[in-house]
Order: sequence, then C-alpha cells, then structure tokens
Amino acid sequence: DIVLTQSPALAVSLGQRATISCRASQSVSISRYNLMHWYQQKPGQQPKLLIYRASNLASGIPARFSGSGSGTDFTLTINPVQADDIATYYCQQSRESPPWTFGGGTKLELK
Amino acid sequence: EVQLVESGGGLVQPGRSMKLSCAASGFTFSNYGMAWVRQAPTKGLEWVATISYDGSSTYYRDSVKGRFTISRDNAKSTLYLQMNSLRSEDTATYYCTRGRELRIDWFAYWGQGTLVTVSS
Repeated sequence: DIVLTQSPALAVSLGQRATISCRASQSVSISRYNLMHWYQQKPGQQPKLLIYRASNLASGIPARFSGSGSGTDFTLTINPVQADDIATYYCQQSRESPPWTFGGGTKLELK
Repeated sequence: EVQLVESGGGLVQPGRSMKLSCAASGFTFSNYGMAWVRQAPTKGLEWVATISYDGSSTYYRDSVKGRFTISRDNAKSTLYLQMNSLRSEDTATYYCTRGRELRIDWFAYWGQGTLVTVSS
C-alpha cells in the first residue's frame, strides 16, 4: 500500500502563506497525471474536495488554494490564509487503488 | 445540487450487524462509482469500500473483507453498507462518497456522515 505522510500541525498567521506538504512512499504519478488529491475538513463537518490531480481546483474552491508537486512530493498552498481556512487538511492518492489511502492530516492553526 | 444522505448508524453490540444506507440525489446515480470512507473519533480518514457504477466490481480494505458488503440499487439511487461481526475498532463516522463519472480516483462529494458505535 502507498503510505502518505503529513506533518501533524502547522501554525500560520492570518494573511500569510501556508504550505502543507504530503510525501508518498512511492510515486503516485502516471505519465502526465499526478494522482494526488486534497481535502479540507472543519470540526464537526464532512471533508470537502479542494484539489484533484495535484493542481486542479475543485468547483467552488477559492483561488487562494493551489496545489503542486509530482512523483512523491506534493504541496497544498493557501495564500493568503483567512480565518475560515482553519481546518484539517488531508491528502489522498489513487495511483495504486485499492486501497485508496489518505495521509494522517495536517491541522492548520493560528499563530 | 448533489446530495448524499446517510442513515442507519447507532449503537450496536460487538459481533452484531448493522446496515447503512445512503440516499443520493442531484445526479445520475447509475453513472458514478461510490464509496464508504470512515473516521474514528479524533482520527483521520480511512477508505472502507468501493463499488463500481454498475455494481459489477467491489473492493474492500483488508480489515473489513469478509465482514462488510457494499451494494447499490441504481433504481432507488441508494448505496448500502452491510456490516457484520462488528468490532470495537469499527466505531467511526461513516461517510458516503461519490467518485467521478464511471470510476473513483478522488472523492468529489461527501455526505454528512452517520456515527456507528460498537460497544457492549
């Protein structure tokens, strides 16, 4: 199974840039497709898709969210961070599925 | 508007069974792969099971193989998860999710979840 590793938490100031990383135990890229996806989950709510295929913004997601990366290293960037962005962020891969695997989540906190 | 509404959760004793349902609306259900993803209290997300758009293919995580069965009724736009021989480690909020058309790579939409508590 492909294991995805995320830092548990990240502290950021409002209006600053937040960079959340996700590292895969093996490549999740096939030709030009990077099969890494990102979700946001606020307390007490269901997760919401933010980014698919590493860099594609899901419908209705603000442009301050962006994704990048290939191979085994991927990044979700929020710039600038707003109060509404305080949440836990998960990466997920579909390169080798089943199983579809998630990272452990990164909790974005205010500094 | 895509809507996924789960039901059927609650308190159940270890070793017993429970069936979850997910009523889908706002899209052509029979065109999409569907999946269940769970989240234990204070923990991260964990994929449980996937079913193809036509029900011909199903996939399970190892820890639920032989105990859980995912199924769908395309005429009723409803997804199911039959859970047998439940264990304490199955305690979680179970989310119904939709993939993209014809296959699942990412989980585009999520229901609000239903809590399953396995305890004596």
